[in-house]
Amino acid sequence: EIVMTQSPATLSVSPGERATLSCRASQSVGNILAWFQQKPGQAPRLLMYGVSVRATGIPARFSGSGSGTEFTLTISSLQSEDFAVYFCQQYNNWPLTFGGGTKVEIK
Amino acid sequence: EVQLVESGGGLVKPGGSLRLSCVASGFNFSSYSMNWVRQAPGKGLEWVSSMSSSGRYIYYADSLKGRFTISRDNAKNSLYLQMNSLRVEDTAVYYCARTYFCDSWGRGTLVTVSS
Repeated sequence: EIVMTQSPATLSVSPGERATLSCRASQSVGNILAWFQQKPGQAPRLLMYGVSVRATGIPARFSGSGSGTEFTLTISSLQSEDFAVYFCQQYNNWPLTFGGGTKVEIK
Repeated sequence: EVQLVESGGGLVKPGGSLRLSCVASGFNFSSYSMNWVRQAPGKGLEWVSSMSSSGRYIYYADSLKGRFTISRDNAKNSLYLQMNSLRVEDTAVYYCARTYFCDSWGRGTLVTVSS
């Protein structure tokens, strides 16, 4: 099983600042990685797939990078609606696995 | 608009069974792989099971140890999860999600296993 490790667990950021979230895979997943955003009481929402492809309707301030085992989600200028929990997921190998999440909170 | 609507959750005693359903609309259901993903209260996301578009390929999380069965009826645009021998640790919101990278999600259905 590929273990996905996200860091940090919590990220405190001021509105308008840049946020950088990390996701590490225990073995290479190529570029087969997705990112999700989840707000309290809501289902997750797909942000990125194939590492860097934004899903429909996702603003350009969200970007993804990396390959192999190291990945980054960057939010260039945090808006109030971006404070949420973010999960990465590899879908290159079975079982599919998710990271533990990074909570982005208001500083 | 893609819509996924789960149902069938509820309160069940340990050892009991439940069958979850997910009805899809707004897309050609028979062309997409589908998944069940769960989230225990206050916890992260855990993949449960996936089925290919035709139903030919099926995958399960090892932790389920044969207790859960995924199925689909493409004529009814529906995905199912039969859950047997339920345990307290199966308590979670169960989501259905489209494609292996989960591009659309339902709102989920809560399964509570408690005596």
